[in-house]
Order: sequence, then C-alpha cells, then structure tokens
Amino acid sequence: QKEVEQDPGPLSVPEGAIVSLNCTYSNSAFQYFMWYRQYSRKGPELLMYTYSSGNKEDGRFTAQVDKSSKYISLFIRDSQPSDSATYLCASLGGRGQNFVFGPGTRLSVLP
Amino acid sequence: DSGVTQTPKHLITATGQRVTLRCSPRSGDLSVYWYQQSLDQGLQFLIQYYNGEERAKGNILERFSAQQFPDLHSELNLSSLELGDSALYFCASSVTQQGAAELFFGEGSRLTVL
Repeated sequence: QKEVEQDPGPLSVPEGAIVSLNCTYSNSAFQYFMWYRQYSRKGPELLMYTYSSGNKEDGRFTAQVDKSSKYISLFIRDSQPSDSATYLCASLGGRGQNFVFGPGTRLSVLP
Repeated sequence: DSGVTQTPKHLITATGQRVTLRCSPRSGDLSVYWYQQSLDQGLQFLIQYYNGEERAKGNILERFSAQQFPDLHSELNLSSLELGDSALYFCASSVTQQGAAELFFGEGSRLTVL
C-alpha cells in the first residue's frame, strides 16, 4: 500500500463548478499536509499547507484534513480554466521525515 | 519563477550511457532535494542534501548518485541508463534541512533513454 493515495483522474468539470480533490494516507506519523499544483511541463508549486485537522481557507481554495480517518481534501470554488493542472497532495512526518507525495489528480476546467 | 534552476531541460540518450543533471537552488536555500516523476509512479523522493551533506535517501538506485557542492548547487548522476529511467527529474530546494518547510521546485529535466 502506498503511503499517500489519490485518484489520478482525469477529472473534467465546467467553469464555475466546485471541485473536490481527495487523498488518503496510511502513516499515522504524518503531521503536515500540503497541496501542490503542477501545470503541464512545469514543476509543482505549493498551494496550501496545514498541520491540524480542520479547514484552512485561502481565497477560492479550502484544504481540509481529517486525521481520524486519514483523509485530506482540497476544494476549489468557482473553478476557472486556469485551475486546469495536476494537483498533488503531500504529507510530512515528524523530525527527520521527508515529504511523501501522492500520484496527483489531473483536473480540467472547461470554459 | 521558483528561483530553482535546472539544466538541461531535455536530454535524449541511449541505454548504458551516463548523464549528469544540474540544479541551482534558490538563493539562501541550503537544502536540495531530487525527485523522479514518471507517469505510473508519481513523484518519488530520491535524495536530500543540506549544506553539502547527505541528509536523507529515498528510493534511489545504486546506479544513481548525487552531491552538493560548496556553492550549494547539486548534481544528480545517472549511470548505466535503462529504458525505465526515462522520466522527469525535479530538483527542489528549501531553507531548512527538515521539518515543515515549503519546497520550491525547478522546471525539471526530462530524460529520455532510447
């Protein structure tokens, strides 16, 4: 079993839709959770970062973590064609650990 | 622009050959990470250096090696290349050596082994 899993998609939604992207993780030692966005032919860039259960909002993006069920979500409101990218969830354990990335979900927002 | 520079952007070579990928981290970042990204495996951590010292190893093959130089740039050496080594290789940098810190990724080096 991979430590971080997510549906690879592709996921296609119409412009303006609410998008829900999800990850599950297996390692209880993971304490920090991140979402990276990767445009085609580019490196990943950090979107959201959180270390506690609950919600964290940044503009149209909301990251949600449920440590009891080891579930991570990213919600995108009013999705735009410019949101079309691959979204990678990542987790980090405690001291001495390294980032573990999910395989990514490819999202297409259609105008 | 993340501030992380990787060269070359594209590389095509033959099986059995050796290549070197180069990374310059963001100014001020002491940690350099190397990742391999392929379609079926996602982003796989290879190795991390902090201020010239190896800090962590992931799924790095024995045919691969890396180092970080005094000016903090890093090189990833891939030898005895196989078809399965074809992938995107990303370098990332961060300020700290461990713990929660944002990783800044370069644009990657796309390696094709024929």
